[in-house]
Amino acid sequence: GENVEQHPSTLSVQEGDSAVIKCTYSDSASNYFPWYKQELGKRPQLIIDIRSNVGEKKDQRIAVTLNKTAKHFSLHITETQPEDSAVYFCAASYNNNDMRFGAGTRLTVKP
Amino acid sequence: EAGVAQSPRYKIIEKRQSVAFWCNPISGHATLYWYQQILGQGPKLLIQFQNNGVVDDSQLPKDRFSAERLKGVDSTLKIQPAKLEDSAVYLCASSLVGTVYEQYFGPGTRLTVT
Repeated sequence: GENVEQHPSTLSVQEGDSAVIKCTYSDSASNYFPWYKQELGKRPQLIIDIRSNVGEKKDQRIAVTLNKTAKHFSLHITETQPEDSAVYFCAASYNNNDMRFGAGTRLTVKP
Repeated sequence: EAGVAQSPRYKIIEKRQSVAFWCNPISGHATLYWYQQILGQGPKLLIQFQNNGVVDDSQLPKDRFSAERLKGVDSTLKIQPAKLEDSAVYLCASSLVGTVYEQYFGPGTRLTVT
């Protein structure tokens, strides 16, 4: 089955700086890659996703890039704010089936 | 629109006891997922239903875990008997069938096994 690895496990940035989280996946058949944000004690919430037919997607301060050849994808957050502090999870699946999540990255944005 | 509902929100049991969790997905969502999230880890898919059929249960410990979705709407997840390592948050999620893939998560049930 699919295996997703996520780095780094913790990330601390200064407010206004950029943050980058990287994930690799093992199954070349995977074609859907969502990113979830989970605040302490709350449910995961989708913040952005990308499908394998595109290389990049952007939504305001958040962007995701996908390299199918290398089997890795990354989350980029620009102009970080304290409210961006949370745990971020990447995931990979084939058509939203058998979703496999990474271990998470705890992002801290210092004011 | 109402979100994914789960109950109970918290449960404390002793090892070897049984426990059941309930999930009501968003109306019209044919696909339902149960995940186990151990503290400090990402969610792990236990079972995925489409309507009342199982799509994937490859990571479900079938010797002690069972799940059903008899009428294709609500679902229950059962653990019998529970072990200490089952302590986790059990998340239910649902999604549409088709090209809209977003999974909506419920608030979860926090299980503590003592």
